Amino acid sequence: QVQLVQSGAEVAKPGSSVRVSCKASGGTFTTYAINWLRLAPGQGLEWVGVTIPILNTVNYADTFQGRVTITTDQSTNTVYMVLTNLRSEDTALYYCARGATAYSDTSWLDLWGRGTLVAVSS
Amino acid sequence: DIQMTQSPSTLSASVGDRATITCRASQSIDKYLAWYQCKPGEAPKLLIYKASTLESGIPSRFSGSGSGTEFTLTISSLQPDDFATYYCQQYNDYSPTFGGGTKVEIK
Repeated sequence: QVQLVQSGAEVAKPGSSVRVSCKASGGTFTTYAINWLRLAPGQGLEWVGVTIPILNTVNYADTFQGRVTITTDQSTNTVYMVLTNLRSEDTALYYCARGATAYSDTSWLDLWGRGTLVAVSS
Repeated sequence: DIQMTQSPSTLSASVGDRATITCRASQSIDKYLAWYQCKPGEAPKLLIYKASTLESGIPSRFSGSGSGTEFTLTISSLQPDDFATYYCQQYNDYSPTFGGGTKVEIK
């Protein structure tokens, strides 16, 4: 059974960058979209962006355009999210989640990672 | 972006109570709506998709209804494991959005 295993917590300084990984364990996800989302303290879930590895497509939320990059290493079944120019408001739990419909980047999310805490502090 | 308004933000209830959460979309999303359960330290769990389809393995006390702009998640009889935060999500367009969440707490 496929699980999404995320990298460990990160502490970063304002203005720096962070990379979070999401690895499919027990299977692959190349035909399914992998989304990134975040949950900031006191806030609701916010969608960051999505990639469909086999199509090599990416789509980012307007809020994060220019600051986020999502890439895939298909050889290791791992998707990466890099967020640059960090500010304190980026402190959040970052999740990866799989879209339920193959080849589609608009779908419900049927499998989630447990989240990676990114703390931005000077 | 389509705005999703969820209510209430907090719901205090007892084991065995019926719980109802509402989600309203700023424009019609047909039935492109999902519900998730979130607990601290755990991966969020998909409960309902296509507004009313129960995800495999989810207890039948969870149900969803609605279409267009108004949707409801109902838990028919709250169990101890159900105290959590619930989110609705629209996936009608290329920028999915979520409701603000409803925390279901023990009264």
